[in-house]
Amino acid sequence: LAKTTQPISMDSYEGQEVNITCSHNNIATNDYITWYQQFPSQGPRFIIQGYKTKVTNEVASLFIPADRKSSTLSLPRVSLSDTAVYYCLVGDDLRGTNAGKSTFGDGTTLTVKP
Amino acid sequence: ETGVTQSPTHLIKTRGQQVTLRCSSQSGHNTVSWYQQALGQGPQFIFQYYREEENGRGNFPPRFSGLQFPNYSSELNVNALELDDSALYLCASSGVSVRTNTGELFFGEGSRLTVL
Repeated sequence: LAKTTQPISMDSYEGQEVNITCSHNNIATNDYITWYQQFPSQGPRFIIQGYKTKVTNEVASLFIPADRKSSTLSLPRVSLSDTAVYYCLVGDDLRGTNAGKSTFGDGTTLTVKP
Repeated sequence: ETGVTQSPTHLIKTRGQQVTLRCSSQSGHNTVSWYQQALGQGPQFIFQYYREEENGRGNFPPRFSGLQFPNYSSELNVNALELDDSALYLCASSGVSVRTNTGELFFGEGSRLTVL
C-alpha cells in the first residue's frame, strides 16, 4: 500500500464543514482511495471510496485532484456524533480479497465541539 | 449493524496462555480478515482467509494462527500470550458491495484481550 500522511488531530464545531486531507505522493496507477471512520471500542466503518475526481454519497464527499497525490474527505455540517478517528487507505484494487489486507495508519482524530 | 459478530467481547488471560477468538462473517461473504489494534493506533493486518485458505499475512509471528470453516466463520488463535498481545482484535468480512460497488470491509465490534 502507498504510504499515507494525515493530520493527527482536528477540532471543529457543530454545523461546520470539515475537510480532512490525506497525502499519498507514491500512489500508483491502480490504487484506490478509501476512508473509514472508527468510534471508540468499535470496528472501523466504511465511509467512501474513489479513484479520481469527486465522489459523493449520503454522508461525505471525496475530492481527488488530477495528480491523485492527495485526497480530501469532506464532512458537511458535522455534529457531535461525528467525533471519531478517520483513516485514509490507499492501495491497488481495494476491492474483493485485496480489501481486507490493508494496514491502517494512525488516522486523524476529529473532535466536534458544541 | 454490520452483520459481523465476534466473541467473546472481553477476556483476560495471563502470559503463556492460549486464546481463541471467533468471528461470524456477514452473510454471503467468503473472505475474513483479522486485525490487531493496540490502544491509540490503527488496526494492523494479521491475516486473511478466503474460502478456507490463508490468503495473505501481515507481520505477525507464527503463534498467531487461524482457521476458516465451510460456513466462512473464522477463528484466531494466539499461543504463548505476551503482554504486548493486549489489544482489540477485529475481524472484517468483505466482498464487492452491491450497494457501493467497492471492496467495503464490514467490521465486528472486536474482542478486547488483556494479558496480565
